[in-house]
Amino acid sequence: EAGVTQSPTHLIKTRGQQATLRCSPISGHTSVYWYQQALGLGLQFLLWYDEGEERNRGNFPPRFSGRQFPNYSSELNVNALELEDSALYLCASSSGLYRLSNQPQHFGDGTRLSIL
Amino acid sequence: GIQVEQSPPDLILQEGANSTLRCNFSDSVNNLQWFHQNPWGQLINLFYIPSGTKQNGRLSATTVATERYSLLYISSSQTTDSGVYFCAGGPVNYGGATNKLIFGTGTLLAVQP
Repeated sequence: EAGVTQSPTHLIKTRGQQATLRCSPISGHTSVYWYQQALGLGLQFLLWYDEGEERNRGNFPPRFSGRQFPNYSSELNVNALELEDSALYLCASSSGLYRLSNQPQHFGDGTRLSIL
Repeated sequence: GIQVEQSPPDLILQEGANSTLRCNFSDSVNNLQWFHQNPWGQLINLFYIPSGTKQNGRLSATTVATERYSLLYISSSQTTDSGVYFCAGGPVNYGGATNKLIFGTGTLLAVQP
């Protein structure tokens, strides 16, 4: 069974540009989560998508946005990039919102975004 | 919001030694998980353990949900165990469905040969 896959592995941008990060969940998972791991700030929750809708959002500005496609894959878009957006962005997936029991989250290998 | 405290923040061990890592939560959580982040940044699932005890090889974990803490035991440590260990839990809401994970600040483990 394939795990969570993320692309690209590395991404280099300059200030003010836009970045698009992609995530494919484990087959059968409908929930996708995005987390940011910036140096010195730990792992912070960004966004949660399930069944194509945004279900929850962390404390991040609106220039962080995303979407979930009908096949449950997801994109994270970061507009007007700032130096402090340099971080490892991790995607996770799990069984979705309407399951009866809690399910663990499984993480991809991440996209390392560097802003010059 | 929920605060997650991990201890110790740093740990240096000789190969073959045992260790215990602790995770305290300021409020009840569900979806409690332990992860190992290797030097390449990969976050590897170790345990999904909302309560009780589980074992996987040299690793085991215990969660006492009523007292809001979890322990990770590493026995006969190896150099490949080096990295950062995170615990994380989700706020109790949505009738028990999965939601965001709140991570602790991690324990940095270095195992020396």
